[in-house]
Amino acid sequence: AQTVTQSQPEMSVQEAETVTLSCTYDTSENNYYLFWYKQPPSRQMILVIRQEAYKQQNATENRFSVNFQKAAKSFSLKISDSQLGDTAMYFCAPNAGNNRKLIWGLGTSLAVNP
Amino acid sequence: NAGVTQTPKFQVLKTGQSMTLQCAQDMNHEYMSWYRQDPGMGLRLIHYSVGAGITDQGEVPNGYNVSRSTTEDFPLRLLSAAPSQTSVYFCASSYGTGTVNTEAFFGQGTRLTVV
Repeated sequence: AQTVTQSQPEMSVQEAETVTLSCTYDTSENNYYLFWYKQPPSRQMILVIRQEAYKQQNATENRFSVNFQKAAKSFSLKISDSQLGDTAMYFCAPNAGNNRKLIWGLGTSLAVNP
Repeated sequence: NAGVTQTPKFQVLKTGQSMTLQCAQDMNHEYMSWYRQDPGMGLRLIHYSVGAGITDQGEVPNGYNVSRSTTEDFPLRLLSAAPSQTSVYFCASSYGTGTVNTEAFFGQGTRLTVV
């Protein structure tokens, strides 16, 4: 079965510092996308960043970047210059399931402290 | 652009009542899905659809029905609500590229309480 593991249930970071959230997954698919979603207390699901599995270059979106290791099936998220508004639950989700399904991790709760 | 519109935002039902959660998207996405989110459980797939007239079950389909008569709409029906269906529900849509979908766009969620 395809699975996603986010090994850090909770993390905290000081404002302006850098934090890395880890994600590993299991799939037999070769062509897929990987996503990080953010869910603030408002509960809205917001796309943070996406990576295409066939691309070797790691995706970057402003202060957010990923370290994608396809062979190791690892997809970590780095947040630089953390801001108070980054406080949220973060979910890793590759769409490497059968019939293009997203596979969801259980999430990492990130607290950015002033 | 409205994106994915999901209604209602909040709902309280009595055990045994039925209701329909509405979901509509205006992005011409072929792929739509319903999730439920419970504390400590992440998002679990209830039902999904790869196009009008085509639906399939996800991980937790029992107690829920769906239909997809148009590309835009994907309602979720609770036939006889049970307290175990108390949860936050999300509708999502995405663009399919054949064998791979791009990112999912989510509705704002529905907090459902069954008493």
